[in-house]
Parts: sequence; structure tokens; C-alpha cells
Amino acid sequence: KAGVTQTPRYLIKTRGQQVTLSCSPISGHRSVSWYQQTPGQGLQFLFEYFSETQRNKGNFPGRFSGRQFSNSRSEMNVSTLELGDSALYLCASSSRTGGFDGYTFGSGTRLTVV
Amino acid sequence: QKEVEQNSGPLSVPEGAIASLNCTYSDRGSQSFFWYRQYSGKSPELIMSIYSNGDKEDGRFTAQLNKASQYVSLLIRDSQPSDSATYLCATRGEGTALIFGKGTTLSVSS
Repeated sequence: KAGVTQTPRYLIKTRGQQVTLSCSPISGHRSVSWYQQTPGQGLQFLFEYFSETQRNKGNFPGRFSGRQFSNSRSEMNVSTLELGDSALYLCASSSRTGGFDGYTFGSGTRLTVV
Repeated sequence: QKEVEQNSGPLSVPEGAIASLNCTYSDRGSQSFFWYRQYSGKSPELIMSIYSNGDKEDGRFTAQLNKASQYVSLLIRDSQPSDSATYLCATRGEGTALIFGKGTTLSVSS
């Protein structure tokens, strides 16, 4: 069974640019959540999508957005990049049926803003 | 605002010893707790979840929950060098959002 697939693995962008990250969840999982991980703040929740709808959003500025497609694949977008956006962005997949028992994380996209 | 606190470590134990990792949480109403392991340069992987007071065992791992003391722990028996990693404690926030502690680094020496 394929795991959670995130692309690309690494990205280098310039301040002010925008970036789009992609995530394909485990087959059959309809919930996709996104997290940002930095050394200073640790793992922080960005948002969750389920059945193409944003169900929950963390405390991040509006420059961070996402969407989910009918096949459950999800993208997140960060506009007007800032140096502080440099982080590991993790996508997490869960079934959400029969109760929630934790996520499976993808390998992440490491974003460096210069 | 729910918070999860962990000692950043490093916690150093010799091979074969029991490693004890601890976590406290701020919201007395928290019900679900998760332990993740993260190797350097890798993504977190779920070790186990715990919902009820008491112990839950899975192989060499035992999670312990004490809701009265707002305390969660993870015991690793017969620690191996391959257990060297950062261990993240998390509780469930709104929906399926997880609130993570900043993690404890464990180092197991052979």
C-alpha cells in the first residue's frame, strides 16, 4: 500500500515569490492535513481538508492556503514568501472513518526561502 | 489554548536500559494522546496512541496516561541505538488537528 507522497522534496525560492506544494494521501484516505515544522516552533498545524472542504485552520496568515481535489490529492500554496517561511512542510493523511487514530505523515517538502 | 510541554533533552541512556520520556498538557479536557518518533531528516511516524488512564503496551513501548496529573509518558524497554531519535508527544485539538510538543531527543549509546 503506497504511503503519503509529497512533491517536490526540496525547493529553493526567493522572497516575494509564491510556491505550491503537492500531497497525495494514502489510497482511501479522504482527510489531508498540513503542518509546518521549524526548529524554533516545532510542528504547527496549518489546515485540514476533507472531501474537498477546509475543515479546520491553524493560526497562520492568509498567505497560506490550500485546496483538495476530488481524488483527495491536496495542494498548499504560500504567496509572497518570507524568509521565516523556510521550513519542512509535512502532509498528513488519515481515514477519518471509524474514528481518528493519528496520522501518517509524508516525507515532507523542505522549503528554503532566500 | 492547548499546550503540550516536553523536556527537549537530550536524554541519554545506555543500550538495554529503559528510556522514560515525559509530556505534560495544559487542557484538562484533552482526551487523545499520540507519540511520534522522528529520525533526523525524516518525517514523524506514529508509535502509539492512548486515550484511557493507565498503561498501553505495544512491543517494547508502553504509553502511560494520568489524566488527574495531566501527564503522559512513553517507556522504551531494552533501548537500542536504533531508538535514537526525537520523540514527539501530541494531543488532539479542534477536529483532527494535533498539538505537538517540541520533542525530546533520545540518545542510546552502545
